[in-house]
Amino acid sequence: DIRMTQSPSTLSASVGDRVTITCRASQSISSWLAWYQQKPGKAPKLLIYKASGLESGVPSRFTGSGSGTEFTLTISSLQPDDFSTFYCQQYDSYPYTFGQGTKLEIK
Amino acid sequence: QVQLVQSGAEVKKPGSSVKVSCKASGGTFSSFAISWVRQAPGQGLEWMGGIIPIFDTANYAQKVQGRVTITADESTSTAYMELSSLRSEDTAVYYCASNTDSSSWYSDIWGQGTMVTVSS
Repeated sequence: DIRMTQSPSTLSASVGDRVTITCRASQSISSWLAWYQQKPGKAPKLLIYKASGLESGVPSRFTGSGSGTEFTLTISSLQPDDFSTFYCQQYDSYPYTFGQGTKLEIK
Repeated sequence: QVQLVQSGAEVKKPGSSVKVSCKASGGTFSSFAISWVRQAPGQGLEWMGGIIPIFDTANYAQKVQGRVTITADESTSTAYMELSSLRSEDTAVYYCASNTDSSSWYSDIWGQGTMVTVSS
């Protein structure tokens, strides 16, 4: 199985900050990576697909980049609604594993 | 707009089975890549398996292979996930999720989740 490792596990930041979350794959997954946002008690929401494709309706402050084994999700200017947990997922090969999650907290 | 509506919460005894349904409204169900993802309390997301109804072949994560069966009924646009030999560690919210734009395996829509509690 491909192991997905996110860092950091927890991130404290303030409204207006620029933050970056990293996701590393244990082997190359080309650009077959998605990012999701999850709020407590809710289903995950797709933000980014194919490493850098912005899902329709997602604010442009979310940017994905990377290929191969290293990927990043950047939020350019944090808004109050962004404080939540983020997950990466590879969909290069079965099983389509997730990272362990990054919880974004208000500083 | 495509929606996925899941069946309600379940409480099961250890060793029993549970079957969760996921009904799609709108879109071309047959070509959806449907995944089942679970989340234990306070934990992260775990991909369990998936199916594309038109191909009618499911793929499973090794961790649950042998205990999970994923099927799809094109006539009712409903996917099912059955998990057998339930253990306390299977207590989780179970989500169905789908890609409605292609047969790619990222998920752009999710069901509301079904809580399955395994307890004696």
